Amino acid sequence: DIQMTQSPSSLSASVGDRLTITCRASQSISNYLNWYQQKPGKAPKLLIYGASSLQSGVPSRFSGSGSGTDFTLTISSLKPEDFATYYCQQRYSTPVTFGGGTNVEIK
Amino acid sequence: EVQLLESGGGLIQPGGSLRLSCAASGFTFSIYAMNWVRQAPGKGLEWVSGISANGRTTYYTDSVKGRFTISRDNSKNTLIVQMNSLRAEDSAVYYCVKGGGHSFDFDSWGQGTLVTVSS
Repeated sequence: DIQMTQSPSSLSASVGDRLTITCRASQSISNYLNWYQQKPGKAPKLLIYGASSLQSGVPSRFSGSGSGTDFTLTISSLKPEDFATYYCQQRYSTPVTFGGGTNVEIK
Repeated sequence: EVQLLESGGGLIQPGGSLRLSCAASGFTFSIYAMNWVRQAPGKGLEWVSGISANGRTTYYTDSVKGRFTISRDNSKNTLIVQMNSLRAEDSAVYYCVKGGGHSFDFDSWGQGTLVTVSS
């Protein structure tokens, strides 16, 4: 199985900050990497697919990059509604696997 | 608007069986792969199973192989997972998830149904 490792596991940030979350795959997954946002008590929401493509309706302050084994999710300027947990996910091979999540809290 | 409504969750004893259903609406169900993803309380996301649009191909994570069976009824826009020999570690919120441009791009999620396996 492909292991997905996110870092950091949690962080504190302020509104307006630029934020970067990292995801590393245990083997090359090309660009078959997605990012999700989950708020407490809610279902996850797809933000980025194919490593860098913005899902319809997602604000442009979210962006993704990377290929192979190393990927990043960037939020250019944090808004109050962005405080949530973020997960990466690989779809290169089954079983599909998720990273452990990054909890973004308000500083 | 895509809507996915899960049902069938509840409290079940270890070794028991449960059948989860997902009623889909707002899109052409028969042309999209579907999946189940679960989340144990306070934990991360775990993909459980997927099924192709026509239902002919199914996928499972190792921990549920031989115990869970995914199926779909395209005439009724319904996704099902039959869960047998349930274990405490199967306790989680189970989400019905629609595949997007690729089967495993999870672009729409239901609200989830809670399964608790406990004596």
